[in-house]
Amino acid sequence: GAVVSQHPSWVICKSGTSVKIECRSLDFQATTMFWYRQFPKQSLMLMATSNEGSKATYEQGVEKDKFLINHASLTLSTLTVTSAHPEDSSFYICSATGTGSGSYEQYFGPGTRLTVT
Amino acid sequence: QKEVEQDPGPLSVPEGAIVSLNCTYSNSAFQYFMWYRQYSRKGPELLMYTYSSGNKEDGRFTAQVDKSSKYISLFIRDSQPSDSATYLCASNDYKLSFGAGTTVTVRA
Repeated sequence: GAVVSQHPSWVICKSGTSVKIECRSLDFQATTMFWYRQFPKQSLMLMATSNEGSKATYEQGVEKDKFLINHASLTLSTLTVTSAHPEDSSFYICSATGTGSGSYEQYFGPGTRLTVT
Repeated sequence: QKEVEQDPGPLSVPEGAIVSLNCTYSNSAFQYFMWYRQYSRKGPELLMYTYSSGNKEDGRFTAQVDKSSKYISLFIRDSQPSDSATYLCASNDYKLSFGAGTTVTVRA
């Protein structure tokens, strides 16, 4: 149980275009989803936290107009990188927690590698 | 100062050796302490978590937390080549704070 999927697993886009990444909880209802970014050989950095039906809460230094997060249902959250630039190239990972679970019970997706050319 | 500090290694051990991984943390409010395993180009996988101080064992893995010294440890006994991965420690208040991750290679 507690499986989280992401799509796509890998995407290449041109500078200035937008890219949407989907995160789905497959066998549980995800009341809270988290979006992380991981640069090579570095740890995960939390970008934002989203609760179903509410606006996302962004971490300091993360541009909310650039990284649009939508958590419209209990099984789906999307991250849209708008007007992507090469410096946005990174590994984006989502995680989810279920109803009544603490933030320590996060189940992670397999990640999406974004390359902006 | 990062809330969770972890030596990134890398660490290389022969098969069958004990792998010892350590982290320190600074936030006294942390209550849960987690260890994740991450294979290259994959998302982290929760190995085990510990609440407050003490030990927790799961097969070949043992997690220890010493809240008095703010020290977190993970031991892997009888290490196997399949244990080769990056291991991340983490702790939480309202969100998870991760260590940098230690890359472990178990040599056959």
